Amino acid sequence: DVKVTQSSRYLVKRTGEKVFLECVQDMDHENMFWYRQDPGLGLRLIYFSYDVKMKEKGDIPEGYSVSREKKERFSLILESASTNQTSMYLCASRSGTGRAGEQFFGPGTRLTVL
Amino acid sequence: SQKIEQNSEALNIQEGKTATLTCNYTNYSPAYLQWYRQDPGRGPVFLLLIRENEKEKRKERLKVTFDTTLKQSLFHITASQPADSATYLCAPNTGFQKLVFGTGTRLLVSP
Repeated sequence: DVKVTQSSRYLVKRTGEKVFLECVQDMDHENMFWYRQDPGLGLRLIYFSYDVKMKEKGDIPEGYSVSREKKERFSLILESASTNQTSMYLCASRSGTGRAGEQFFGPGTRLTVL
Repeated sequence: SQKIEQNSEALNIQEGKTATLTCNYTNYSPAYLQWYRQDPGRGPVFLLLIRENEKEKRKERLKVTFDTTLKQSLFHITASQPADSATYLCAPNTGFQKLVFGTGTRLLVSP
């Protein structure tokens, strides 16, 4: 059974803290994505990576950075957490072959920044 | 900029009826469009993909249409069941291998 796992389901952090969200996939996928999901705004792409050490900004990269040192792992970093980063964070992966492959999502991390 | 519109109001239907959800997009022409299901507190799950040169795609009780002239996709669930209650997300592609997601329509199927 293919899987995308995320390090935490729920996380509470304080303003100004550095936050790491980890995502691991076991499907040997080239592409990995980080989204945030907010009511009324849907899923918005923060960053994606199409290969190890490669990254590209999505629609809302401000305040975030990412790291992809190994193919199976994609980390989202909040350098200095702020209350407006309270959200549900979803990681996804997809195969790099083919133009239109489906994305496989993790269960999400609900982050609260106080 | 690209805009994806799904009905934000919940759709309530009776078990056994056909549910029809709408996805409209503006300001671009996607090469394909995907539909996902999302249950509360969980990540989306892929359901169907339809390409721009396909008018219709079916999978079991699901049917998707893609009208590139109207810039619209319709998602149908026939013989709906309470277990079909969820939020359904429309996701046309934008650029290579990226998707842009609609806000989703919540479907409620009552027994």
